[in-house]
Amino acid sequence: AQSVTQLDSQVPVFEEAPVELRCNYSSSVSVYLFWYVQYPNQGLQLLLKYLSGSTLVKGINGFEAEFNKSQTSFHLRKPSVHISDTAEYFCAVSVKSQGAQKLVFGQGTRLTINP
Amino acid sequence: GAVVSQHPSRVICKSGTSVKIECRSLDFQATTMFWYRQFPKQSLMLMATSNEGSKATYEQGVEKDKFLINHASLTLSTLTVTSAHPEDSSFYICSARDTRSPAWETQYFGPGTRLLVL
Repeated sequence: AQSVTQLDSQVPVFEEAPVELRCNYSSSVSVYLFWYVQYPNQGLQLLLKYLSGSTLVKGINGFEAEFNKSQTSFHLRKPSVHISDTAEYFCAVSVKSQGAQKLVFGQGTRLTINP
Repeated sequence: GAVVSQHPSRVICKSGTSVKIECRSLDFQATTMFWYRQFPKQSLMLMATSNEGSKATYEQGVEKDKFLINHASLTLSTLTVTSAHPEDSSFYICSARDTRSPAWETQYFGPGTRLLVL
């Protein structure tokens, strides 16, 4: 079964510093990968996705991620974070199950930005 | 952008009672909606896929008689937790796919419903 592992449950970073949130997946077939952000008391928002093509994917709010097939990774990066980036971040992979595409989520990484 | 609402946002009920949670797509039609459950500090776990006009598809280990799903229109899916018990306390999140969008992979998420069973 396909799965997603987010290696860090919490990541504290100072404002304006760079950040990388790690995500590894297990899959033997075509992979569709996603990063979602969940702000307090809000629903998940899509940050970016990889379906095919260029392995470097740019998303909203200055985030980007790189699909690395050999390392089965899809790490999320931002060169300079802001206080407003404080949130929970989820990596997910789309799998085909019972005839439909479904999302399997990682455990989440809580990003805390300190002034 | 596409908006999904959930009602109520928070509910407290007594053990043994049933609770209904609504998920609505406000500005698009959704043939397919999903129901997730999120425990504190844990990830979202897919419970079931809700299909308009047909039976929901439940994930392994999810009791279909306990978590009743009805998707009676293209903009509304409901999840009813029957005979709720304290272990059913959780954060329930729905998402929806825009039927007319070619982006098959895009799900729009609701803000979630926090259920507390006493």
